[in-house]
Amino acid sequence: QQQVKQSPQSLIVQKGGISIINCAYENTAFDYFPWYQQFPGKGPALLIAIRPDVSEKKEGRFTISFNKSAKQFSLHIMDSQPGDSATYFCAARKTSYDKVIFGPGTSLSVIP
Amino acid sequence: DAGVIQSPRHEVTEMGQEVTLRCKPISGHNSLFWYRQTMMRGLELLIYFNNNVPIDDSGMPEDRFSAKMPNASFSTLKIQPSEPRDSAVYFCASSLDTGNQPQHFGDGTRLSIL
Repeated sequence: QQQVKQSPQSLIVQKGGISIINCAYENTAFDYFPWYQQFPGKGPALLIAIRPDVSEKKEGRFTISFNKSAKQFSLHIMDSQPGDSATYFCAARKTSYDKVIFGPGTSLSVIP
Repeated sequence: DAGVIQSPRHEVTEMGQEVTLRCKPISGHNSLFWYRQTMMRGLELLIYFNNNVPIDDSGMPEDRFSAKMPNASFSTLKIQPSEPRDSAVYFCASSLDTGNQPQHFGDGTRLSIL
């Protein structure tokens, strides 16, 4: 059972464009939603995270939008760069002491 | 500051052999996680420890898999006997379990079972 759904599976964006990755969850007990970025040959690394009491969080070119009523959240990458090409995972966790549930991942390619 | 250290980075072995993957978490972190990543199944949590105690091993696929954490600075994931379907990248991650602290991943062990 996939507790965190993610789309699209892959995404190609031109340099300077906006990359958008969408995620959805079912369990309303989730209260922490991190995004991880993974480059080839490396482990995932935390990119940005949000709690459901906030509708939007921005860090540089990366923004998380959160819609609690729809149980959806998304990552927007503004002014996408070739260096942003990586796999992105959304995730969710119920409490500080629970495991993180990862989405299936989105492979992003930013082309010049 | 050293990150999570995994060894070996690559392992190629024949079916039926015992495989041991090793992990050194970040000093001071008290939660440790073992993940397996494949194209078909994505990133799967196998087991996680808190203060060296296994908390959730529901992701361990079979009895052929076992994990130990004898102390706060070392953990192993063992597969015995190994099978070709165990081929994957295995990641170890660690975190502080206070508040919403991020998991820090190692660079993984790429395991190929022939």
